[in-house]
Amino acid sequence: GQQLNQSPQSMFIQEGEDVSMNCTSSSIFNTWLWYKQEPGEGPVLLIALYKAGELTSNGRLTAQFGITRKDSFLNISASIPSDVGIYFCAGQLPGNQFYFGTGTSLTVIP
Amino acid sequence: GAVVSQHPSWVICKSGTSVKIECRSLDFQATTMFWYRQFPKQSLMLMATSNEGSKATYEQGVEKDKFLINHASLTLSTLTVTSAHPEDSSFYICSATGQGVWTQYFGPGTRLLVL
Repeated sequence: GQQLNQSPQSMFIQEGEDVSMNCTSSSIFNTWLWYKQEPGEGPVLLIALYKAGELTSNGRLTAQFGITRKDSFLNISASIPSDVGIYFCAGQLPGNQFYFGTGTSLTVIP
Repeated sequence: GAVVSQHPSWVICKSGTSVKIECRSLDFQATTMFWYRQFPKQSLMLMATSNEGSKATYEQGVEKDKFLINHASLTLSTLTVTSAHPEDSSFYICSATGQGVWTQYFGPGTRLLVL
């Protein structure tokens, strides 16, 4: 199946720093979603975006749905140690089919 | 939010045996369930999509006779890995969507180790 390109692949940052990651695709999606996965767990939904240009926040997290509908980014402000995990973007098509990004591994150094 | 459970959370089996993994939607009727496989440090790869009461649709490259999927009720789907081999060792995650649930909610995953 399709896979979305996500960058960076990994990040090592100091606690308190801001984080930015993005996701690009050659295909247009109706919905973009961002998930966080901790070791040995399933993905947990963080933010969902429904229309081009939409900017949505969830606490310290902010995500945007690209104008072209082929990309999205996620920002985390003032990172804390519990932000550690792998962040995945996902593009959703009609019929609820998902395609996942390659993931961004985030390490926060206290 | 919608809750999805998986059982078992981990399983170790001998090569050649079959393993069944259950995925349940606990507080909604799951008309569609998805099965994913995830190798270490990699993303989730969709294996198949199953709609309640009908045959699953498998992604290209996934052997349907190897990975049997049954979605007999609106709250339960099962994945059976038949004649498991070490290369089938992976983290298997299900997700579900349905009435009143606008997107996929994921189970906690099942780690399979085939010796």
